[in-house]
Amino acid sequence: SQELEQSPQSLIVQEGKNLTINCTSSKTLYGLYWYKQKYGEGLIFLMMLQKGGEEKSHEKITAKLDEKKQQSSLHITASQPSHAGIYLCGAGFQKLVFGTGTRLLVSP
Amino acid sequence: GAVVSQHPSWVICKSGTSVKIECRSLDFQATTMFWYRQFPKQSLMLMATSNEGSKATYEQGVEKDKFLINHASLTLSTLTVTSAHPEDSSFYICSAQPRRGGYTFGSGTRLTVV
Repeated sequence: SQELEQSPQSLIVQEGKNLTINCTSSKTLYGLYWYKQKYGEGLIFLMMLQKGGEEKSHEKITAKLDEKKQQSSLHITASQPSHAGIYLCGAGFQKLVFGTGTRLLVSP
Repeated sequence: GAVVSQHPSWVICKSGTSVKIECRSLDFQATTMFWYRQFPKQSLMLMATSNEGSKATYEQGVEKDKFLINHASLTLSTLTVTSAHPEDSSFYICSAQPRRGGYTFGSGTRLTVV
């Protein structure tokens, strides 16, 4: 089965700083999803990547999928307190499994 | 469009009782729905795939007799936690795939067993 490892496990950044979260797969990715969650709440869809080398941006968040389609990164520029939460990558064929998660805290 | 409604949003039950959680696709038909569990400070773990009109497919390590899944219609899947115990306390969340693709998630159910 597909396994997704995220790094770092947790991250504290100062407001205004940039940060990157990585998601590495044990198998070739057929569609890679990024979600944001506050624990105990639903998931907020951020982006979905399918093609090797693809890059998408929404507001201050950019996600990339490498050419080999086994690694994705999520980059946040000029972080804000509203970016705090748990970031999850998800992938799979016919079912979605999630990575280990990255907990982000943004300090004022 | 593509809204999934999950109820209840939270529930407290006594140890040994059963609890039913509903997941409805409001504006699309879902032949497949998924159930996840999330413990504090952990990621979402896929429990099972719910298939309309047939048996659910459970992930390794998930007790099918404890977590009963019924997908009786194209818009409703239910998860029943039978004989709940405190270790079953968790956040349960469902998702469904609309025709246009992607996954839409419910808002989750926080279960506390006392």
